[in-house]
Amino acid sequence: SAVISQKPSRDICQRGTSLTIQCQVDSQVTMMFWYRQQPGQSLTLIATANQGSEATYESGFVIDKFPISRPNLTFSTLTVSNMSPEDSSIYLCSVGGTGTGGTQYFGPGTRLLVL
Amino acid sequence: GENVEQHPSTLSVQEGDSAVIKCTYSDSASNYFPWYKQELGKGPQLIIDIRSNVGEKKDQRIAVTLNKTAKHFSLHITETQPEDSAVYFCAAHSPRRNNRLAFGKGNQVVVIP
Repeated sequence: SAVISQKPSRDICQRGTSLTIQCQVDSQVTMMFWYRQQPGQSLTLIATANQGSEATYESGFVIDKFPISRPNLTFSTLTVSNMSPEDSSIYLCSVGGTGTGGTQYFGPGTRLLVL
Repeated sequence: GENVEQHPSTLSVQEGDSAVIKCTYSDSASNYFPWYKQELGKGPQLIIDIRSNVGEKKDQRIAVTLNKTAKHFSLHITETQPEDSAVYFCAAHSPRRNNRLAFGKGNQVVVIP
């Protein structure tokens, strides 16, 4: 499986600011995803990060709030914009391939607290 | 869309006993079912998975069984150890969801020494 790292691992931010989270994979992957995990909850898919084109967002998530970049097959960023306390969550990136039939591997997550 | 339900929500077992977590899914086209273990402060870790052409898969103390007719699959952990204490998530993949996984709500397993 791929080795996935995320930066930062955790952060405490002030309301109204923005934070960019980085996801780095040690090998080229076809699919990269961003998830949110609110405290004590399951994983909710925010968007699929597409290499060289705009991300595909799930219902309830918009590009203005969660802009995503994916400049190549090993790297992606998620920005949480104009943060409020409700954005306090764990943000996870995951990777998979079109040939894996659904298999996804997760990074360690970024723990965000918004005051 | 796919609806994945997971039962029970919490499970406490004595060390050495077995633990079983069951998940049901709604989309009959689902063909891949992974299980993830999430320890405190970490990301979910894939521990075992099964595809729809197989009824059972085992890896040491962990096994997964699939009943396609009833649309449910279960995680079995035998000879539980304290390090098995974690939150376990099941998920289902359907070709209709374009490589996206639908997750259950998670199950907190506590192994009592």
